[in-house]
Amino acid sequence: AQSVTQPDIHITVSEGASLELRCNYSYGATPYLFWYVQSPGQGLQLLLKYFSGDTLVQGIKGFEAEFKRSQSSFNLRKPSVHWSDAAEYFCAVGANTDKLIFGTGTRLQVFP
Amino acid sequence: EPEVTQTPSHQVTQMGQEVILRCVPISNHLYFYWYRQILGQKVEFLVSFYNNEISEKSEIFDDQFSVERPDGSNFTLKIRSTKLEDSAMYFCASSEERTPTEAFFGQGTRLTVV
Repeated sequence: AQSVTQPDIHITVSEGASLELRCNYSYGATPYLFWYVQSPGQGLQLLLKYFSGDTLVQGIKGFEAEFKRSQSSFNLRKPSVHWSDAAEYFCAVGANTDKLIFGTGTRLQVFP
Repeated sequence: EPEVTQTPSHQVTQMGQEVILRCVPISNHLYFYWYRQILGQKVEFLVSFYNNEISEKSEIFDDQFSVERPDGSNFTLKIRSTKLEDSAMYFCASSEERTPTEAFFGQGTRLTVV
């Protein structure tokens, strides 16, 4: 069965620092991978997705993620965090069904 | 930018009451979904809907739940007799194509059953 693990429940960084949010998945074949962000009072917004091809994918708001098959990981990165990046981040995996499997989320706090 | 809209943003209901959560998907989308997130837990898939019928449902989506697209714009989730454990954030989503392509999510409805 597919599953997604986000090991970090809560991360705090200083504004301008780099960021890496971890995501590990379990799936037998090549999955479809997503990162969503949820700001307070907002819905889930797609940051980026990986289906195939180049394993380094670029997303919105300066985020990128790298698919590493050998590590079953799809970590989200940003070189310099802005205060407006404070939000909850969800990794999700999809396969050949209608449903997305989400991780438990990582709450990012940014200090000035 | 087109968006998925959910109403109400917060609903409080008594146990045993029926609730209807409403969603307006993006207008040219054909696939519709409901997810829920119990506080502190994962976002979980409930059901997908296409061509006026359920495409896929999870084990959570039992006989107490139903979905409907009553007109060309709304997509609703009905819980017939709410239980305390139905308290959660419910997210509606829609997509042009069947997932796992990009799905657009609404801001959610927080349901509190007392």
